[in-house]
Amino acid sequence: DGGITQSPKYLFRKEGQNVTLSCEQNLNHDAMYWYRQDPGQGLRLIYYSQIVNDFQKGDIAEGYSVSREKKESFPLTVTSAQKNPTAFYLCASSIVSGGRYTEAFFGQGTRLTVV
Amino acid sequence: RKEVEQDPGPFNVPEGATVAFNCTYSNSASQSFFWYRQDCRKEPKLLMSVYSSGNEDGRFTAQLNRASQYISLLIRDSKLSDSATYLCVVNIGGGKLIFGQGTELSVKP
Repeated sequence: DGGITQSPKYLFRKEGQNVTLSCEQNLNHDAMYWYRQDPGQGLRLIYYSQIVNDFQKGDIAEGYSVSREKKESFPLTVTSAQKNPTAFYLCASSIVSGGRYTEAFFGQGTRLTVV
Repeated sequence: RKEVEQDPGPFNVPEGATVAFNCTYSNSASQSFFWYRQDCRKEPKLLMSVYSSGNEDGRFTAQLNRASQYISLLIRDSKLSDSATYLCVVNIGGGKLIFGQGTELSVKP
């Protein structure tokens, strides 16, 4: 089945530890995105990538890092510099066709709790 | 000003009602527009794309007004199963996909 896989679904970490969230897609999509969602809030863009080996900061990139070494993978590292890391993290991907971006498809998300 | 703004919620409506959501965007160069639905504690799912000419899918109608920089979603004959949060999404250019804060809809019997 084609889709986007985020793992793990739930993640617990101690304060001060870095943690990496996995996002893999087998849809052959060019663009990938990471969003953060807090309770009762919309999605806020952390990082996005249009092609392999290239990515741009979104609106709330501080305390996060990403890599895009392969088309199908876009891992997100939540560093100890992120002040409030507890949140629901969503990864998405979309097709780029003729310079236009189609709708984004989402993984099921990772709920990160830092204690 | 936020890049994408939606009507504040929640909207509480009876079954069978017609409800409309609006969303404004600030970047006139924005290229693509979408409405997503998100159920509690789940990932967002595409409801419909929004085209310049307007488009309809069953009880749902989406419209785009580029001159005034807003998009709208109309839901007719609301069902209990329509209860969810509706998210306006705009590609503001260069692949940057921005979500509105969402509007919660609750349809009551």
